[in-house]
Amino acid sequence: DAGVIQSPRHEVTEMGQEVTLRCKPISGHNSLFWYRQTMMRGLELLIYFNNNVPIDDSGMPEDRFSAKMPNASFSTLKIQPSEPRDSAVYFCASRSESGRLFFGSGTQLSVL
Amino acid sequence: EDQVTQSPEALRLQEGESSSLNCSYTVSGLRGLFWYRQDPGKGPEFLFTLYSAGEEKEKERLKATLTKKESFLHITAPKPEDSATYLCAVQANSGYALNFGKGTSLLVTP
Repeated sequence: DAGVIQSPRHEVTEMGQEVTLRCKPISGHNSLFWYRQTMMRGLELLIYFNNNVPIDDSGMPEDRFSAKMPNASFSTLKIQPSEPRDSAVYFCASRSESGRLFFGSGTQLSVL
Repeated sequence: EDQVTQSPEALRLQEGESSSLNCSYTVSGLRGLFWYRQDPGKGPEFLFTLYSAGEEKEKERLKATLTKKESFLHITAPKPEDSATYLCAVQANSGYALNFGKGTSLLVTP
């Protein structure tokens, strides 16, 4: 298995633009998580899906952030409009039945 | 609210110099405590899961231990390739996600 696949690896955009981050979880994993990592706050949970259904989005900073999981093999995290304070590394992770989280390589987002 | 505090924030060791990293936690019923390793530019990579006080797990030069309030990651005779950020996370019985500490950045010099 190729593991959790995220794209793009790097995204540089200007304030106000829409940003879409993509994730393909490991096949057979029923749970998917989006995390954000910054130096100041570490890894923060944004949203959690179970069987493609959003269970908890209380970590989503504000309405500018939205996430979807249209099927078991694909999820997106969208920021519209983006702001400089959204600059961070965004990780997607899927969870095996044993409870272990498998992370993707992340998307480094820079909003200028 | 679950809290995870890791110390020190950064640690520099010489090759072969053993040490320990600390993870203090508060959680309303522990389902599991996890240790991850993160290399620059990569996502966290799973190392261990501990479920109950007194449990220990080992992998090569690493050993993780767990008490009711903290976990230690012991590094014996480290090598430069052990340089990374080590993250601790807890999952509560009532929760589904992992709550991470900010990590300890370890540098091992030859």
